[in-house]
Amino acid sequence: SQELEQSPQSLIVQEGKNLTINCTSSKTLYGLYWYKQKYGEGLIFLMMLQKGGEEKSHEKITAKLDEKKQQSSLHITASQPSHAGIYLCGADDNFGNEKLTFGTGTRLTIIP
Amino acid sequence: KAGVTQTPRYLIKTRGQQVTLSCSPISGHRSVSWYQQTPGQGLQFLFEYFSETQRNKGNFPGRFSGRQFSNSRSEMNVSTLELGDSALYLCASSPGRGHYGYTFGSGTRLTVV
Repeated sequence: SQELEQSPQSLIVQEGKNLTINCTSSKTLYGLYWYKQKYGEGLIFLMMLQKGGEEKSHEKITAKLDEKKQQSSLHITASQPSHAGIYLCGADDNFGNEKLTFGTGTRLTIIP
Repeated sequence: KAGVTQTPRYLIKTRGQQVTLSCSPISGHRSVSWYQQTPGQGLQFLFEYFSETQRNKGNFPGRFSGRQFSNSRSEMNVSTLELGDSALYLCASSPGRGHYGYTFGSGTRLTVV
């Protein structure tokens, strides 16, 4: 079965700084999703990447998919307190298979 | 447009009891998936339903079951609760097969005492 490894596990960043979170898959990525979760709450959809080399942005968050490396990265520019939370990557293990495998998450803390 | 609604938000049950959780997907979405989230195991897939049929199932014991109704609303049931079943249970809905993206509900926090 597919495994997703996220790094780092936790991150403490000063407000205004940039940061990057990585998600590496043990298998070929068919669809890669990024979600954000506030503690104990549901997942908020950020972005979905489907093709190698694809890059998407939403506000100050950019995600890229490197299909050859079986890896995705999430980059936040000029971090704000509202960016704090747990970031999770999820992947379909086969195209159209409605079953996501999730990484262990990256806990992001923003300090003023 | 209403999001994914999960009820109840919080639940406390005793070992050995059974529990039923409910999930109402986004209108028009036909696929509902269930996930269990615990500090130790993270987010794990339970099962997925599409048009009242279970299409995928994760590696959970038979005590975990679910169903989907004709209006796409889904329920999951856990029988003979164990302490280890304490978790946040999340459901997600999507239009159907393919990379459409999944919208998650706020979850049901189940505590087994």
